[in-house]
Amino acid sequence: GIQVEQSPPDLILQEGANSTLRCNFSDSVNNLQWFHQNPWGQLINLFYIPSGTKQNGRLSATTVATERYSLLYISSSQTTDSGVYFCAVSYTTSGTYKYIFGTGTRLKVLA
Amino acid sequence: KAGVTQTPRYLIKTRGQQVTLSCSPISGHRSVSWYQQTPGQGLQFLFEYFSETQRNKGNFPGRFSGRQFSNSRSEMNVSTLELGDSALYLCASSRNPPHRGQDTEAFFGQGTRLTVV
Repeated sequence: GIQVEQSPPDLILQEGANSTLRCNFSDSVNNLQWFHQNPWGQLINLFYIPSGTKQNGRLSATTVATERYSLLYISSSQTTDSGVYFCAVSYTTSGTYKYIFGTGTRLKVLA
Repeated sequence: KAGVTQTPRYLIKTRGQQVTLSCSPISGHRSVSWYQQTPGQGLQFLFEYFSETQRNKGNFPGRFSGRQFSNSRSEMNVSTLELGDSALYLCASSRNPPHRGQDTEAFFGQGTRLTVV
C-alpha cells in the first residue's frame, strides 16, 4: 500500500519563528488534508489540499501531486500552535479506497 | 452549524465487557468513518459508512463492528474488550466518501477515550 511519511518527527521552535512541515506519499492520491491535533485529542482541519496552494492566516500549504509531496508552512509561530500535525491521504486500490494518516510531526513552540 | 459530536467523551471498561460509542455527523454529511489512535500504532482506519452501508473496512478483528442509521448517525461496538483496545476513538464525517471527487473533506469529532482495565 501507499506510504505516507512526515518530517521532521519532532520540532521545537521559539515563539515567532517560521517552520515547514513535509508530507511525502509514495503513490497517487485522491485527496490530502492537513490536521492539527490539540492537547485534548481533537483533530482540527487546517487544509483540504489535493493539489495547489492555499493560505489561511499564518498558515499556508502547498501540494505538488506530480512529485508526491505536500508542505505546511507556519509563520510567526505561537505557543498555541503546539501539538501534533498530521497529513492524511485517500487513494484508490484494487477497486476500493483507503484513507491513511502520516506519522505526524510533534511541534512545541516555546514562549 | 454543529460539528461532529461523539459520546461519551471518556469510558472505563473491564476486560471482557463490550462497549458502544456514538457519533453524530455534521448535518448533511452522509459518510462517517471511525479511527483508532494509540501511541504505538498511530491513527488507524477502522471502517466507513455511507448511506447506512459499510463501504470500507480496515484491518481490525471482527470484535470491532459498526452501523449507520437512516439519519447518518453511527455507532461502533467493541465486544470482548482487551487491554490493547485502550485508545482514543475518533469519528469523522464528510458529505461524500473519501474516494469521490467532490465534498470529501473530513471533519473530526473530539473523540472518545476508552480505557480498558
